[in-house]
Amino acid sequence: AQSVAQPEDQVNVAEGNPLTVKCTYSVSGNPYLFWYVQYPNRGLQFLLKYITGDNLVKGSYGFEAEFNKSQTSFHLKKPSALVSDSALYFCAVRDRTPGGATNKLIFGTGTLLAVQP
Amino acid sequence: SQTIHQWPATLVQPVGSPLSLECTVEGTSNPNLYWYRQAAGRGLQLLFYSVGIGQISSEVPQNLSASRPQDRQFILSSKKLLLSDSGFYLCAWSFAYSTDTQYFGPGTRLTVL
Repeated sequence: AQSVAQPEDQVNVAEGNPLTVKCTYSVSGNPYLFWYVQYPNRGLQFLLKYITGDNLVKGSYGFEAEFNKSQTSFHLKKPSALVSDSALYFCAVRDRTPGGATNKLIFGTGTLLAVQP
Repeated sequence: SQTIHQWPATLVQPVGSPLSLECTVEGTSNPNLYWYRQAAGRGLQLLFYSVGIGQISSEVPQNLSASRPQDRQFILSSKKLLLSDSGFYLCAWSFAYSTDTQYFGPGTRLTVL
């Protein structure tokens, strides 16, 4: 079965420090991976995606993610955290179930990032 | 550029009342459209998706239904709301027939009392 896991419910980091939000996946075939951010009472905003190519993907607001096929991971990173980065972060993988509909995404349970000033 | 709208932004409804939430997309044609529900501020549950007018696929059996009367309009409905229908409802779109991203609307906060 296709799945994505975010092992941490919450990540705490001090402003200015590097941050990592973890994501691991299980999917047949080549994965299409996404990161989204959600601020309170708002819709999800797309940050970045990995489809193919360079394992290090750069996205919006200074975020990047590293695709690691051997570890089936796609961790989100930022060199220097800002208080304004505090939000809920979702990892997602495209559903590759045979016969499934185009573009269905499977989302993780989300990780709350709290950046302290 | 493309934009996605949802309304209303917030809604408080009594148990047993009907529901109609609307989502529209501008700036693209024949998008894939999706309805999600987010309960308790966390997990996203895909409710319905549509790849064209009148084509609706249901992911979770429940008292909700969806319709797509026009190419860029997606409606979520219920004849009789339950308490358990409370949540944050998100509409999303993506380009058809590609690996592309889903883009989300601002959401509707539904409270059933």
